[in-house]
Amino acid sequence: DVKVTQSSRYLVKRTGEKVFLECVQDMDHENMFWYRQDPGLGLRLIYFSYDVKMKEKGDIPEGYSVSREKKERFSLILESASTNQTSMYLCASTRSRGGYTFGSGTRLTVV
Amino acid sequence: GQQVMQIPQYQHVQEGEDFTTYCNSSTTLSNIQWYKQRPGGHPVFLIQLVKSGEVKKQKRLTFQFGEAKKNSSLHITATQTTDVGTYFCAGPSGGSNYKLTFGKGTLLTVNP
Repeated sequence: DVKVTQSSRYLVKRTGEKVFLECVQDMDHENMFWYRQDPGLGLRLIYFSYDVKMKEKGDIPEGYSVSREKKERFSLILESASTNQTSMYLCASTRSRGGYTFGSGTRLTVV
Repeated sequence: GQQVMQIPQYQHVQEGEDFTTYCNSSTTLSNIQWYKQRPGGHPVFLIQLVKSGEVKKQKRLTFQFGEAKKNSSLHITATQTTDVGTYFCAGPSGGSNYKLTFGKGTLLTVNP
């Protein structure tokens, strides 16, 4: 089974902190994604990557950056965490034309 | 930009009743995918439809892709408590086959 592993299930960070969310997949998928999920707003794409060192902005990239130094790892960085970034963060991966495999999610609370 | 609308937002049924959720896109889709997210869980891929008018079945679940490839539906026959969760449709966006725009989902609750 394809596995997408997110490093933390729950995180609590302070406003202004730099936050790293890590995601690792084990099936050699080219494409990786970061979404955030909020009640009433659904899944919104933050950033995605279709190859190592390649990245593209999604629909809501402001306040975030990403890093993909290795094919299996895609990191989401909150440069200076704010309370409006409190959310569930979901990482996903896929080959070019298949369904996504999601990680279990990281519930981030910024206080 | 592309929008994917889902209705209804919520649906509560008695166990044994049928359930349908509908998905509409503002643009023609090359394919449509469906996902299920259990409460407290993460979205899990169910199926992908590619052809105009395509119908696929998975046990009690029937998925349809419209003739114009702008709408889709998921129908569950005789719901069970295990069907509880949020069902999302998603279509390719931005000219890419792997970047998806998700609908906001339909939350299904089932009364035993």
